Amino acid sequence: DIVMTQSPATLSVSPGERATLSCRASQSVSSDLAWYQQKPGQAPRLLIYDASTRATGIPARFRGSGSGTEFTLTISSLQSEDFAVYYCQHYNNWPPLTFGQGTRLEIK
Amino acid sequence: EVQLVQSGAEVKKPGESLKISCKASGYSFTTYWIGWVRQMPGKGLEWMGLIYPADSDTRYSPSFQGQVTMSVDKSKNTAYVQWSSLKASDTAMYYCATTGIGVAGLAFGNWGQGTMVSVSS
Repeated sequence: DIVMTQSPATLSVSPGERATLSCRASQSVSSDLAWYQQKPGQAPRLLIYDASTRATGIPARFRGSGSGTEFTLTISSLQSEDFAVYYCQHYNNWPPLTFGQGTRLEIK
Repeated sequence: EVQLVQSGAEVKKPGESLKISCKASGYSFTTYWIGWVRQMPGKGLEWMGLIYPADSDTRYSPSFQGQVTMSVDKSKNTAYVQWSSLKASDTAMYYCATTGIGVAGLAFGNWGQGTMVSVSS
C-alpha cells in the first residue's frame, strides 16, 4: 500500500499570512493526488485534484503543486475560514486510496 | 445539484448487525464510483472502499475487506454499507462520497453529511 505522510501535524499561522502544507507519498503517485479541507462537525470538502486543479468554487488562494512523491498545498493570505484540518489522498495504484494523517491549521 | 443524503445516527450493541445508507440524487447514479470513508472520534480519514453502481464491482481497502459489505440498489439510487457483527471499535462517523462528477480521477468531489455509528454495551 502507498503510505501518505503529511507535515507538519499542526501549523500555526497568523491571518493574512501564507501557509504551506506538505504531503509525501511512499512511492510515486504521478499527479493522482487530492487535497481536502475539513472543519469541525462537517464533512470534508474537495479543494484540489490532479495535484494542482482547483475544484469548483475553490478560491484562487488555494494552490496545489507537485508530482511523483512530493506535494504541497499553499494557502496565500489566510482567511479566518481557512483554519481547519487538511488531508491529502492519492488515487494511483489502488486499492486502497489512502489519506494522509492530516495537518491541523490553527490561528497563531 | 448533486446530493448525497445519509441515514441517521445509530446506537448499537456489540454483536448486532447494521446497514446504513446513502441516497444519491442530481446525477446519473450508475455512472460514477461511490465510496465510503471512516472517521473514528478525533481521528483522521480512512478510505474503506469503492463500489461501481452499474455492475456492483466493489474494491475494498485491505483493512476493511471481510469487515464490511458494500452494496447498491440501483432502483433506489442508494448505496449501503453493512456490518454483520459490530464491535466497539466500529464506533465512528461514516461518510459516503462520489468520484468523478466534474472531477478527474477518483477524488471524492461530493460528500454525504455523515452517519454516526456508536457501538457500546
